[in-house]
Amino acid sequence: GAGVSQSPSNKVTEKGKDVELRCDPISGHTALYWYRQSLGQGLEFLIYFQGNSAPDKSGLPSDRFSAERTGGSVSTLTIQRTQQEDSAVYLCASSFQGFGYTFGSGTRLTVV
Amino acid sequence: AQTVTQSQPEMSVQEAETVTLSCTYDTSESDYYLFWYKQPPSRQMILVIRQEAYKQQNATENRFSVNFQKAAKSFSLKISDSQLGDAAMYFCASGWTGNTPLVFGKGTRLSVIA
Repeated sequence: GAGVSQSPSNKVTEKGKDVELRCDPISGHTALYWYRQSLGQGLEFLIYFQGNSAPDKSGLPSDRFSAERTGGSVSTLTIQRTQQEDSAVYLCASSFQGFGYTFGSGTRLTVV
Repeated sequence: AQTVTQSQPEMSVQEAETVTLSCTYDTSESDYYLFWYKQPPSRQMILVIRQEAYKQQNATENRFSVNFQKAAKSFSLKISDSQLGDAAMYFCASGWTGNTPLVFGKGTRLSVIA
């Protein structure tokens, strides 16, 4: 596609439920990133995929968070047993070499 | 570890005037990239300008330009002839060469006054 697509745009879930957030990167972009943006905060790195290499999971805040990228394209971020502190905007981006990211519009997650 | 600091949580500028947003960074890498991103209320992060650290010439994109001071590890963004559409959050970011994750500052909220 022409841009990075994220779905859903907004998600409200009950505390304790699992959620899946989807990211469809730009075709041909080898790298894919997930960031979390909490209210009034900058972007917090979560996880990074580069080609067929093992992902860099160093930013995942707990073992409730996981992500996968299938076929080097679409990625899914899964949050298990959601907590209220997980409420944030989750941004996905893709890139090709060092030319900067192209971001999706994010998923706003609200845990009630 | 890399760090990026934006010391101005909020800034305002009159329409048609010039404003400068500050950013400092810290990195042990000799080769890296610096970026400014704009995030309007739509949440869509938009790349404004990009600077390669090995280039001494300051990057310019239309009304946007940077003042890159490598020794001081400073990377400020100047917006000339400010327009109402420039109102947004602006994030400074740095990263190594290649595709390693960018480190972002906490952002500066820019208001443009008509």
